[in-house]
Amino acid sequence: QQPVQSPQAVILREGEDAVINCSSSKALYSVHWYRQKHGEAPVFLMILLKGGEQKGHEKISASFNEKKQQSSLYLTASQLSYSGTYFCGTEPNRDDKIIFGKGTRLHILP
Amino acid sequence: DVKVTQSSRYLVKRTGEKVFLECVQDMDHENMFWYRQDPGLGLRLIYFSYDVKMKEKGDIPEGYSVSREKKERFSLILESASTNQTSMYLCASTGLAGGSRSVEQFFGPGTRLTVL
Repeated sequence: QQPVQSPQAVILREGEDAVINCSSSKALYSVHWYRQKHGEAPVFLMILLKGGEQKGHEKISASFNEKKQQSSLYLTASQLSYSGTYFCGTEPNRDDKIIFGKGTRLHILP
Repeated sequence: DVKVTQSSRYLVKRTGEKVFLECVQDMDHENMFWYRQDPGLGLRLIYFSYDVKMKEKGDIPEGYSVSREKKERFSLILESASTNQTSMYLCASTGLAGGSRSVEQFFGPGTRLTVL
């Protein structure tokens, strides 16, 4: 079952902050975050593992509430290069099979 | 750099044709995946494979089959293409690379398939 992302779309001015949420109905082993720019392939940003381990991007942070099966991606002091569609992907079991959400479109204005 | 390549960026086929989409990765990854991406629906998993000759159904396998004869190559087959299979198809791979386990999926550039 696909995780639910919110909001579906957001428009910001450069320098503003954004939060993208991801919620699953299943217990999770990990949550992945990817960004896709228009016309390009999705690119890995971050993974959050059960137990608190994180691996990923320097300037983007995220949280993972295992009990609530929720994750949030925090984009602070957004830059024009942050524009794109952000996908969360949930991994219920440690089997590399990721179920992606529908995406959140982020548009940064100068 | 990890590279995942797909045979075509754009493909136009007619209803009823058999369509082959090829994906090749050069990182010796054991896991490979096929997704389709449609506006407003995100990335949906069609099939995946954990090893040569192995295949597993994803969330939307109907109308598709796959083949993995070699570790680096994963093919998606549309046995009889239909207009509702017009979509962007993305291949991805992950697994052990250089002795350490990759946590990220590496995606190919995608094939935009139009079925007329």
